[in-house]
Amino acid sequence: GENVEQHPSTLSVQEGDSAVIKCTYSDSASNYFPWYKQELGKRPQLIIDIRSNVGEKKDQRIAVTLNKTAKHFSLHITETQPEDSAVYFCAARPYGGSQGNLIFGKGTKLSVKP
Amino acid sequence: DTEVTQTPKHLVMGMTNKKSLKCEQHMGHRAMYWYKQKAKKPPELMFVYSYEKLSINESVPSRFSPECPNSSLLNLHLHALQPEDSALYLCASSQGDRGGYEQYFGPGTRLTVT
Repeated sequence: GENVEQHPSTLSVQEGDSAVIKCTYSDSASNYFPWYKQELGKRPQLIIDIRSNVGEKKDQRIAVTLNKTAKHFSLHITETQPEDSAVYFCAARPYGGSQGNLIFGKGTKLSVKP
Repeated sequence: DTEVTQTPKHLVMGMTNKKSLKCEQHMGHRAMYWYKQKAKKPPELMFVYSYEKLSINESVPSRFSPECPNSSLLNLHLHALQPEDSALYLCASSQGDRGGYEQYFGPGTRLTVT
């Protein structure tokens, strides 16, 4: 079955710097890759996603890139702000998971220092 | 309405109690999910309902019993739980098989088993 690896497990940056979180997946047929942000004590919040027929997607300070050949995808946050501090989870949806089954990475705790 | 709601927010129960968690969405989504999340871990899929039918049961112990009374409601009945079942229980929904892979999470129920 699908396996998602996420790195790093913790990331500390200065406010204004960029942050990059990387994930790799094992099932080449996976076709959907969302990213969730979870603040302490709150729900996971979908912040951006990408489908397998797209290489890059951007939404203001957040972008996701997908390399299907290498089976990895990355989250890029530019001009980081203290409110970006949270745990970020990547996920992959295996093809044929018609019920929307998502396989999550283990998470990255991002700390943005003012 | 673009939210998934869950009640109660917090629940403390003894190992002999019977309780239920409730989840509701009014986005017309036809897939609904129960996840369990332990501290500092990603959400772990428990059950998936697709068009009100149970489609995935990830080998969850029978002390957890899901129910989908209609397309907007999802319940999780709890009975004879163990202390290790203490966790954040998250409900999520998505459009279902007809596209729209995005899953939206509710705020969760923080369950403590004493």
